[in-house]
Amino acid sequence: EAEVAQSPRYKITEKSQAVAFWCDPISGHATLYWYRQILGQGPELLVQFQDESVVDDSQLPKDRFSAERLKGVDSTLKIQPAELGDSAMYLCASSPRDGNSYNEQFFGPGTRLTVL
Amino acid sequence: SQKIEQNSEALNIQEGKTATLTCNYTNYSPAYLQWYRQDPGRGPVFLLLIRENEKEKRKERLKVTFDTTLKQSLFHITASQPADSATYLCALENNNDMRFGAGTRLTVKP
Repeated sequence: EAEVAQSPRYKITEKSQAVAFWCDPISGHATLYWYRQILGQGPELLVQFQDESVVDDSQLPKDRFSAERLKGVDSTLKIQPAELGDSAMYLCASSPRDGNSYNEQFFGPGTRLTVL
Repeated sequence: SQKIEQNSEALNIQEGKTATLTCNYTNYSPAYLQWYRQDPGRGPVFLLLIRENEKEKRKERLKVTFDTTLKQSLFHITASQPADSATYLCALENNNDMRFGAGTRLTVKP
């Protein structure tokens, strides 16, 4: 069964350092999402891509976060510089959603980030 | 402001009973609502989707209702099993605006 791949699974970094997360969605899924989930809370959408275009990045802290999906396939989320408050699980999800049809999201295993 | 509330952080029930989880929302008009299961340290897994014009959806031991007048969804697990123990998240979306609740942690005791 096809799965969303994420790497690394765990990342420990010091504040002010740069970190990057990678996501490979399920083949053929046009929509890709990056979420941040703080322990005890629900996932919070950071950015949504439709193919290579950003559909929604209103919750992305653009002074330090960036995301790209250059060829409309895999995606990278970067934080520079990392802050203590960035410690969280970063989840990637993909969906076969196209246009106005609504579909389930398939989540990857996440990257657990700890900022010291 | 928009708010999604899921009933109590934790719900403990006995095996075999029906678990009922609640998702209430305010200042929001979702086109549809989804329920996900999340195990510790893992990503959420999709369970059910219900549209605003649907009242009820079933899948095996799962049932979801959606009342847009009350602004509430109920998620039922019948004949619960210890393997159903997990956190359950509701998610609402309208026009690319996707929001999750904080989740309810369900524990089913043998």
